[in-house]
Amino acid sequence: QKEVEQDPGPLSVPEGAIVSLNCTYSNSAFQYFMWYRQYSRKGPELLMYTYSSGNKEDGRFTAQVDKSSKYISLFIRDSQPSDSATYLCATARPGGYQKVTFGTGTKLQVIP
Amino acid sequence: DGGITQSPKYLFRKEGQNVTLSCEQNLNHDAMYWYRQDPGQGLRLIYYSQIVNDFQKGDIAEGYSVSREKKESFPLTVTSAQKNPTAFYLCASSEQGTNTEAFFGQGTRLTVV
Repeated sequence: QKEVEQDPGPLSVPEGAIVSLNCTYSNSAFQYFMWYRQYSRKGPELLMYTYSSGNKEDGRFTAQVDKSSKYISLFIRDSQPSDSATYLCATARPGGYQKVTFGTGTKLQVIP
Repeated sequence: DGGITQSPKYLFRKEGQNVTLSCEQNLNHDAMYWYRQDPGQGLRLIYYSQIVNDFQKGDIAEGYSVSREKKESFPLTVTSAQKNPTAFYLCASSEQGTNTEAFFGQGTRLTVV
């Protein structure tokens, strides 16, 4: 079983829709949770970073962590064609060097 | 502008040849990383370095080598011992102890012909 599972998609939504992207993880030691956005043939860029449980909001993006069910989500409100990209979730344990484990990524297409 | 520069963007190599991928950062970050990305797989860590003149193997270090002689630079050599080198290679950096907030370069696509 992979430590982080993510549906690869692709996920197609109309412009303006609310998008929900999800990951599950298996290791309860994970405390850090990240979402990266990766455009085609580019490097990933950090979107959201949360520690432990709860929600974090940044503009149209909301990251949610439910540690009881080992489930992490990214919600995108009022989706735009420019949001079309692959979204990678990532997790890490606390410690001096925190090994980061990445999901495989979900490809999102927002249709105008 | 601060950032991470990877070069070249595309690289072709003949089987049996070593090739070195460049990674330079001007973010004054202590830690640097090399990842490999393949379709259908998450990013996999090849090597990382938390300080100059020190580096550790990641999950898939076999067939790769690195050096960290300067804080700004962390080149990756893909040797002929790497059995399946065709992939997208990503370099990243972070402040010491905060690799949960990594900055990535734009990647190098290596193709073995």
